[in-house]
Amino acid sequence: DIVMTQSPDSLAVSLGERATINCKSSQSVLHSPNNKNYLAWYQQKPGQPPKLLIHWASTRESGVPDRFSGSGSGTDFTLTISSLQAEDVAVYYCQEYISALLTFGGGTKVEIK
Amino acid sequence: QLQLQESGPGLVKPSETLSLTCTVSGDSVTTSNNHWGWIRQPPGKGLEYIGSFSYSGNTYYNPTLTSRVTISVDTSKNQFSLRLTSLTAADTAVYYCARHFDDYSLPRYSDYWGQGTLVTVSS
Repeated sequence: DIVMTQSPDSLAVSLGERATINCKSSQSVLHSPNNKNYLAWYQQKPGQPPKLLIHWASTRESGVPDRFSGSGSGTDFTLTISSLQAEDVAVYYCQEYISALLTFGGGTKVEIK
Repeated sequence: QLQLQESGPGLVKPSETLSLTCTVSGDSVTTSNNHWGWIRQPPGKGLEYIGSFSYSGNTYYNPTLTSRVTISVDTSKNQFSLRLTSLTAADTAVYYCARHFDDYSLPRYSDYWGQGTLVTVSS
């Protein structure tokens, strides 16, 4: 089974500053035949369902602000919020979808400093 | 606009069976290029994939739950359902239904989610 490990568990960032969240998979999620990384990022605000932000590791979902970006390949991935806004306070999850388990990371809570 | 809505009991006794229904509007559960499934989240904890199906005939369950889970579809009502047996307190969670992107006939990331329904297992 693939294990998804996120770091840090939480971080506090000043408004307008950069927030960086890391996600590491225990096995590569790069699918060689199509050269795609099977990695998604979600944002979950209190009392709401998760919202898909990014898939294929770096493709922003329609309507997601461009301050959100995803990068990485293989086993190491990053979600970056380039200029944190008040509405970005949430828990962020990565998810692998190369396996049948669709495993999520443990989540990273982003707060305002 | 695609919408999913879960319905079912909020409280279930230990050892009993949970039945939840997801009603879909804005898309059809019979479209062959999507999977439809369930994900749960214990209070204050992370997300766990339960299982999903595609109308083309493929059904997938989390191996840790496969002996207790059944997902079925009612095309006449554009609904799909979750049945989870032999409940324990560990099954207490918010249960979400979701649409999964299909790739190589397998469920992948979830692009639409229901609002979720809290199920508490307690006597």
